[in-house]
Amino acid sequence: GDSVTQMEGPVTLSEEAFLTINCTYTATGYPSLFWYVQYPGEGLQLLLKATKADDKGSNKGFEATYRKETTSFHLEKGSVQVSDSAVYFCALKAAGNKLTFGGGTRVLVKP
Amino acid sequence: ETGVTQTPRHLVMGMTNKKSLKCEQHLGHNAMYWYKQSAKKPLELMFVYNFKEQTENNSVPSRFSPECPNSSHLFLHLHTLQPEDSALYLCASSRFLSGGGNTGELFFGEGSRLTVL
Repeated sequence: GDSVTQMEGPVTLSEEAFLTINCTYTATGYPSLFWYVQYPGEGLQLLLKATKADDKGSNKGFEATYRKETTSFHLEKGSVQVSDSAVYFCALKAAGNKLTFGGGTRVLVKP
Repeated sequence: ETGVTQTPRHLVMGMTNKKSLKCEQHLGHNAMYWYKQSAKKPLELMFVYNFKEQTENNSVPSRFSPECPNSSHLFLHLHTLQPEDSALYLCASSRFLSGGGNTGELFFGEGSRLTVL
């Protein structure tokens, strides 16, 4: 079945550091890929998405590129802020209608 | 007004109580979902409704009973819960469940934090 694997957290880094969160997936067909973010005390919200191979999704300084050859969709940000502290979820939508989420990666940015 | 509103935000209940969680979406969406978020576990899809009809029950115990009276409202009725049911329950909606136009984006509420004593 479909699955998403994310690096386990927590990831702790200093303000202005470079952030990478790894995400790999297993799916039939050609899934769409997503990153959702959950800020403290809130629900999940869509951060960015990519619907086909080599697409790059970007939003709020975050980027992720759909790599079909490595079945990956790693999230990156060049200079994080304290306000980026959150839990980040990688997800895919393959054949059918269900979103499959990864386990989430908690990121803590210290001033 | 936020797109997806959940009440209550926090709920503490005993194992013999009956309570309900409510979700309301103001986005004109047709599909609604219940997810369970437990510590150190992946997000678990519980139920899916499309145009008020249940399309998925992900092997959820019967002590959780969903209700969808219309496309804008979704309830989760709770009865005889166990301490391991303590979690954050998230409601979500999407414009369509299937076919063209479903980008896969879900809109989530802030969740109802449930504690079962």
